[in-house]
This record gives sequence, structure tokens and C-alpha cells, in this order.
Amino acid sequence: GDSVTQMEGPVTLSEEAFLTINCTYTATGYPSLFWYVQYPGEGLQLLLKATKADDKGSNKGFEATYRKETTSFHLEKGSVQVSDSAVYFCALKEGFKTIFGAGTRLFVKA
Amino acid sequence: DTEVTQTPKHLVMGMTNKKSLKCEQHMGHRAMYWYKQKAKKPPELMFVYSYEKLSINESVPSRFSPECPNSSLLNLHLHALQPEDSALYLCASTEQYTSGANVLTFGAGSRLTVL
Repeated sequence: GDSVTQMEGPVTLSEEAFLTINCTYTATGYPSLFWYVQYPGEGLQLLLKATKADDKGSNKGFEATYRKETTSFHLEKGSVQVSDSAVYFCALKEGFKTIFGAGTRLFVKA
Repeated sequence: DTEVTQTPKHLVMGMTNKKSLKCEQHMGHRAMYWYKQKAKKPPELMFVYSYEKLSINESVPSRFSPECPNSSLLNLHLHALQPEDSALYLCASTEQYTSGANVLTFGAGSRLTVL
């Protein structure tokens, strides 16, 4: 069945460092791909999405490119801030159900 | 209004209590969801309502009873829960329940502790 694999955390970075969180997926067809973020004490919210191969989703300085050839959707940000500390979930949707990865916790130190 | 509102934010209940979690959205979304999230885990789908009808029940124990009184409201009735049911319960909605790239809009969750 469909699945999403994310790099294990936690990831700890200093402010202004470069961020990459790896995400790969397994799907039978052409899923839509998402990154959701969960800040402490809150629900998940959409960070960005891409619906077809080579699409780049971007929001708040975060980017991810839908790579069909490598079945990947890695999240990147050039310069992280303390306020980016959160849990990041990669997700795919093929059919009716959204499938989440395990989540990667990011800590950003001042 | 782009919010999903959940009440209460925190709930502590005994194993013999009956309580309810409530969820409300005014975005005109026609699909609403209950998820359960344990610490350091992703959300797990419990129920999906589409046009106020139950579409998906992910083999959830009957001590959890969902209800969708109208297109804006979703309730989760709790009875005879176990301590292992302690978790964050998230409500979410989408415009429709379809196979497209629907984005889930989540509420902040209700943190449930069962003693």
C-alpha cells in the first residue's frame, strides 16, 4: 500500500542554518504531496503542497519539489528561525485518504 | 472564517464517565474528520463524514460514537473509555470528500486524559 517515510528526528539547528527534511513515498499512481506543520499545542496546518511531478510548493520560505523519478518531496529552508521549531509531517493523498509520515521534530536554537 | 474550532481544549474523565468533544467549522466544507494523535506520532484517522453521513469508520471501538448534526458541526461522544484512549483528538475538514488534492484544515485539538 501507499506509504511515506521521513527522516527521523529530532533535528536541532542554530538560527539561520539551512534545513533539509527528507521525505520519500511509495504509491501506485500519481499522488498529491503535502507538508503539514504542527506547532506546540496546536493542530496541524498546511505548509505547502504539490500535485504533479516537478511542481514546487513554497510558503514562508519553505520549499519542496515533487520528484517522481526519486519518489521524493524533501522540505528545505535557507535560513531557519526559532519560530520554525515544530513537528513537520510529510503526507500523500492518492484516492480518498491522506497518509502521513511519522513526523520530524525540529528544534531551532537562538 | 477559515477556522475549525474544537471544545473543550482539555478534558479529564474517569472510565465510567460520559463526555463529548465538539467541533465546528463555517467554511462550507462538506467533509469532516476525527483523528486521534498519540504523543510523538502522526494523526490516525478515526471517522469521516461526508454530507453529514458517515463514510468511513476505521474500525474504531464502539466506546467512541461520532455524530454530525449538521454540515457545520461534528461531535464525538465518549463512554467507558480506557486509559490508553488518552490522546489529542483532532477534528479536520475538507471542501469535499473526494480523491482530489483536498487540503485538510485542522482544529487545535482536544487533549483527553482518561483516569
